[in-house]
Amino acid sequence: DQQVKQNSPSLSVQEGRISILNCDYTNSMFDYFLWYKKYPAEGPTFLISISSIKDKNEDGRFTVFLNKSAKHLSLHIVPSQPGDSAVYFCTRSWGKLQFGAGTQVVVTP
Amino acid sequence: KAGVTQTPRYLIKTRGQQVTLSCSPISGHRSVSWYQQTPGQGLQFLFEYFSETQRNKGNFPGRFSGRQFSNSRSEMNVSTLELGDSALYLCASSLATGDSYEQYFGPGTRLTVT
Repeated sequence: DQQVKQNSPSLSVQEGRISILNCDYTNSMFDYFLWYKKYPAEGPTFLISISSIKDKNEDGRFTVFLNKSAKHLSLHIVPSQPGDSAVYFCTRSWGKLQFGAGTQVVVTP
Repeated sequence: KAGVTQTPRYLIKTRGQQVTLSCSPISGHRSVSWYQQTPGQGLQFLFEYFSETQRNKGNFPGRFSGRQFSNSRSEMNVSTLELGDSALYLCASSLATGDSYEQYFGPGTRLTVT
C-alpha cells in the first residue's frame, strides 16, 4: 500500500550541478513529507521535510518543492557534491515511515 | 544534543535464543519507532511507541515485541530467533507533536543469528 513513489531508480550528475529527485504521492490530506539520505549498511539520515501547508522548504543546499495539485514533490540539491552520492528516499510521516526503493544518486567529478 | 543511541551495536546469537535490543531517544522525543533493515527487503517498519503505548505496528510475527519506559527509552525483544532475523535493527525517535514529525535514526544494532 505504498502511497509515495519514486519513479527514477538512479540519477547521475556532475559535481557542481543540480540534482533533482522526484516523488509522487496519492491520497492527499494533511501530510508531512520527509527526505532521507542513506549510505550502504547504515541507517537513513534525515535531510529535509515539508508539510502540506507549504510549497517550498529550504535548508542550505537542499530545497524541497511540493506541488499539491500534481501530488508531486521534488528535492533539489545545489551544488551537488561527491559526498551526496547515496540512495535518497522520500516518505510520508504519520507514525510509521515507508521506504520504497529510493533513487540512487551518483555524483561524478 | 546527543543523538539516538542503540545498544549493543553488534550481537551474535544462535537459533532459538532470544535477544533484547535497547534504544535511547533524543532528549525530549516521546516517539520511538523500530525498523528492520535487510539487503533483500530494505527498511521495514516494526512498531512505534509513544508515551509508553504502542501506537503503530508493522507486519511482523508476535516473536517481535517491544516496550517503552516512562523516560521514553525503548527495548525491542525477539524470541525464538531464526536465521532470517539476521539484520540491522534501527531505532528512530521523533517529537511527533505539532508540526515536527521528523524521525532521527540511531546507528543500529547488527544482529547475526547462526
